[in-house]
Amino acid sequence: RKEVEQDPGPFNVPEGATVAFNCTYSNSASQSFFWYRQDCRKEPKLLMSVYSSGNEDGRFTAQLNRASQYISLLIRDSKLSDSATYLCVVKTGNDYKLSFGAGTTVTVRA
Amino acid sequence: NAGVTQTPKFQVLKTGQSMTLQCAQDMNHNSMYWYRQDPGMGLRLIYYSASEGTTDKGEVPNGYNVSRLNKREFSLRLESAAPSQTSVYFCASMPYQYQPQHFGDGTRLSIL
Repeated sequence: RKEVEQDPGPFNVPEGATVAFNCTYSNSASQSFFWYRQDCRKEPKLLMSVYSSGNEDGRFTAQLNRASQYISLLIRDSKLSDSATYLCVVKTGNDYKLSFGAGTTVTVRA
Repeated sequence: NAGVTQTPKFQVLKTGQSMTLQCAQDMNHNSMYWYRQDPGMGLRLIYYSASEGTTDKGEVPNGYNVSRLNKREFSLRLESAAPSQTSVYFCASMPYQYQPQHFGDGTRLSIL
């Protein structure tokens, strides 16, 4: 089983819509969680960290569910510029590595 | 405000040639990483350096070597390039163990 699994999508949504997707992780001892955004053929960029109580950054809301071992990302009022691949990233164990999901592709259409 | 800088941005090699990809960060981060990303696939860790003076293998180390030259610089060497190493290579750095990583903008490498 992969450490981090994501629905690859794509999620095709109209401008202004809300889109949400999850990421599951296999190790219950995972400690840190992040969402990254990656545009086509560009480097991954940190979108937001995910905190235990959930957190919001503008139109983006991240939630952590430790009991079911998943994190979620919700995008409200989608913009064309939100079209990207969203990577779920999890820190597990005492080494210095992060585990990256393969990404969920979101396409926002006019 | 450079962050993580990778050179070169693009490179074409012939099979069997060698080359070194350079990475430097100016954020005083302790850990540095090399990933490769192939079309339609996720990031795969090649090597990493948890701190200056240490290096460790990642998921796909075969065919590569690394050097952590100092705290700022972490290079990736292909000794004898193979077409299977055609990929986009990303370098990343991380300040401390539970922090997010910061990526360079990548080296696009083609091996003919």
